Parts: sequence; C-alpha cells; structure tokens
Amino acid sequence: AQSVTQLGSHVSVSEGALVLLRCNYSSSVPPYLFWYVQYPNQGLQLLLKYTSAATLVKGINGFEAEFKKSETSFHLTKPSAHMSDAAEYFCAVGGTNAGKSTFGDGTTLTVKP
Amino acid sequence: EPEVTQTPSHQVTQMGQEVILRCVPISNHLYFYWYRQILGQKVEFLVSFYNNEISEKSEIFDDQFSVERPDGSNFTLKIRSTKLEDSAMYFCASSGQGLRNEQFFGPGTRLTVL
Repeated sequence: AQSVTQLGSHVSVSEGALVLLRCNYSSSVPPYLFWYVQYPNQGLQLLLKYTSAATLVKGINGFEAEFKKSETSFHLTKPSAHMSDAAEYFCAVGGTNAGKSTFGDGTTLTVKP
Repeated sequence: EPEVTQTPSHQVTQMGQEVILRCVPISNHLYFYWYRQILGQKVEFLVSFYNNEISEKSEIFDDQFSVERPDGSNFTLKIRSTKLEDSAMYFCASSGQGLRNEQFFGPGTRLTVL
C-alpha cells in the first residue's frame, strides 16, 4: 500500500522568498517519488523525480527536493519564488509499471509581489 | 522526445451519452493507465492495463467504464452512459519495460457532461 500526505493545502510566499512544499509518503516498497506542477486548466508537468539514485534531486525551474528515508519525506524547495511559480503542486508516489501512481491532495502556491 | 498524446483536448456531452477518450501512448511502452481529476481535487487512479487485460482498477472504475487497445497504437477509455459526476480531466499514462520504469502522462482530456 502507498499513500502521500501533503502538509498545507495552501502556501503563500512573497516573491523572492524561499518556497517549501511538504510531502510525506508511505510505501511498502522502495518508493519512486514525483513532484508535478499544474497550472489552471492545464495538464500535469513533471518537476522532478526520485528513483533511488541521488537523494537530492534537481528539477526544472529551479526546484529541488530531498528524499529522506528516515523521515519518509520528499519536500520540494526553491530558493527564490517567482510570480510564475504560482500554481498547484502535487506530490506522488509509485508511478512505475510496478503499479499505479498515488497522488497527494495538492498544495496551492500563491506568490505575492 | 516521445510523448503521450490524448484526443480530444475537450469533450462536451449530454448526460447518458457514451464517450470514448483516446490516447496514443509512447510507442515502445507496454503498460497503460487512466487517471481522473475532478475539478479542484487530486488526481485519482482509475485503471491499469497490460498485455491486453486490466491489471488493476479502482472502485471508481465501475461497469460504466471500459478500456481497450484496439490496435497497436491507441488506448481508449469508454464511458457507456455518462453522468454529471463524470465531468473531470482524464489523464492517460504509459510506462515501458523493466520493473521500475516511470509513468509518463498525457496532457489530458477535459470531459464536461451537461
């Protein structure tokens, strides 16, 4: 069984501030973990993925995430928020041909000027 | 770069009508999936498909839903008699050979049931 918990359904930051979106997972097998971004009325864009290689994963648009097995976490960070980062962010676990992807409830990121 | 494609991008239908959503997975992929996202909610798994049969399905995937791979390139989701609550974005995904190959998602089809 697998599950994802995203802490904080809404996160608001000022432009230029640190972005931190939290994700905790549960998985009965070594997990694959993903972060997706979704802009209004659009599809899912893969930001980054953890597939059991390096624990610090760098993605697109300056985002990165660190896999911490001891904390069962995969938090998403960006050092300096940009207005264009405002979107819905989903953490997901699984997502391989060994089984389905299980998504978190999502976090809406608002960036204030 | 290979990608999953879906058609149409937006489908509007009347309640009770049948709809077929189409997906073209990445060409050498063998595992196929459908997910659903009701507006404002999270993405939910519907069904996975491998070797011409359903591997796993969720409780959402009831008798009104069916999937098919009618030829070597398309993967379809049929809803026999649409309900208002079927209005959602439907995402297709595919993954390749190997135990832990990741899924690649299509851009989605927005289904609106009136």
